[in-house]
Amino acid sequence: QKEVEQNSGPLSVPEGAIASLNCTYSDRGSQSFFWYRQYSGKSPELIMSIYSNGDKEDGRFTAQLNKASQYVSLLIRDSQPSDSATYLCAVNSLNNAGNMLTFGGGTRLMVKP
Amino acid sequence: ETGVTQSPTHLIKTRGQQVTLRCSSQSGHNTVSWYQQALGQGPQFIFQYYREEENGRGNFPPRFSGLQFPNYSSELNVNALELDDSALYLCASSFGTGQIGSGANVLTFGAGSRLTVL
Repeated sequence: QKEVEQNSGPLSVPEGAIASLNCTYSDRGSQSFFWYRQYSGKSPELIMSIYSNGDKEDGRFTAQLNKASQYVSLLIRDSQPSDSATYLCAVNSLNNAGNMLTFGGGTRLMVKP
Repeated sequence: ETGVTQSPTHLIKTRGQQVTLRCSSQSGHNTVSWYQQALGQGPQFIFQYYREEENGRGNFPPRFSGLQFPNYSSELNVNALELDDSALYLCASSFGTGQIGSGANVLTFGAGSRLTVL
């Protein structure tokens, strides 16, 4: 079982719709959770971080964390074609390597005009 | 404020050769992490350096080694290259205290070095 799992997609949504990206993780001791956006051929860019249960909103982005269910999600409201990218979920694991981030495989989002 | 810079951007090597990748961390950051990203996959943690010492290591063999210099820049060395080492190598810098759990937040990634092993 992978430590951080994401549906690889592609997830296709029309422009203006809400895109919902999901991620599950296996390490119950995880404390920090991140969403990175990666455009094709580029490096990951941090868009959201969340540390406690509940919702965190930043502009069109909302991150949701449920530690009991080991589930973190990212909602993108009013999706734009420029949001088309791969979204990587990352979790801070304190177990063996101390300060490592464990990434999921990413979900490819396509926003169609 | 300068970002994270990596060199070279692309390189091609053959099996058995050795490679050195370089990274300059963002101004104000003292911790450098290296990740390997194979095509179509998420980044995998190789190791992290803090105060010139390895401060955590992922599941990579000893032929992957690194250095951090007093100016916080870093090198990743890979010996005896294998075909499966072909990937994008990402350097990320952050500010940490060396304590467990610090230094992994708010990573700033460089553009990466794309290594092809033939």
